[in-house]
Amino acid sequence: DAGVTQSPTHLIKTRGQHVTLRCSPISGHKSVSWYQQVLGQGPQFIFQYYEKEERGRGNFPDRFSARQFPNYSSELNVNALLLGDSALYLCASSLGQGAYYEQYFGPGTRLTVT
Amino acid sequence: SQQGEEDPQALSIQEGENATMNCSYKTSINNLQWYRQNSGRGLVHLILIRSNEREKHSGRLRVTLDTSKKSSSLLITASRAADTASYFCATGPGAQKLVFGQGTRLTINP
Repeated sequence: DAGVTQSPTHLIKTRGQHVTLRCSPISGHKSVSWYQQVLGQGPQFIFQYYEKEERGRGNFPDRFSARQFPNYSSELNVNALLLGDSALYLCASSLGQGAYYEQYFGPGTRLTVT
Repeated sequence: SQQGEEDPQALSIQEGENATMNCSYKTSINNLQWYRQNSGRGLVHLILIRSNEREKHSGRLRVTLDTSKKSSSLLITASRAADTASYFCATGPGAQKLVFGQGTRLTINP
């Protein structure tokens, strides 16, 4: 079975622009979570979606939004990019809701904002 | 806010030695999970230990959980060069999110 896939792998954007990151979960997984990882730090929780509904939101500004589609894939959108948004964005899928289950992570999208 | 905190932040040992990493957390938990990350890539799940379990094994990995002290430890026995990575503990104050610590950077020297 294919693991969690994310696209694109790398992305370079300019301050003020918008970005969309995509994630496809493992087949059968209904929960997708998004994390931001800044160099040298642990992943920071952004969103969790389960059964296409937002079930959790981390301490991120409204510039960050996400959604989950009927096929359980997900998009993370970031508007009005700031230099501080440069990070590795990780998507994880799990069988059930969030923290009660082991998370399977994708390889991440490396976003650089210049 | 930080739920889990790993200790030490960095650990360097010789190949073949055992490596022990510790994690402390603040609130009650349903489970505690350990993950490995190689060179800024995706995280790999290692072990999930539930709050009613005290010890769990997987191959060369041994995890303990002490809910009274709000702490956990990860032991890697007979370390190998391929174990060089960052190790994170993660807990859920609720079902909605998993909160990671800042990690322990483990280096195995040949």
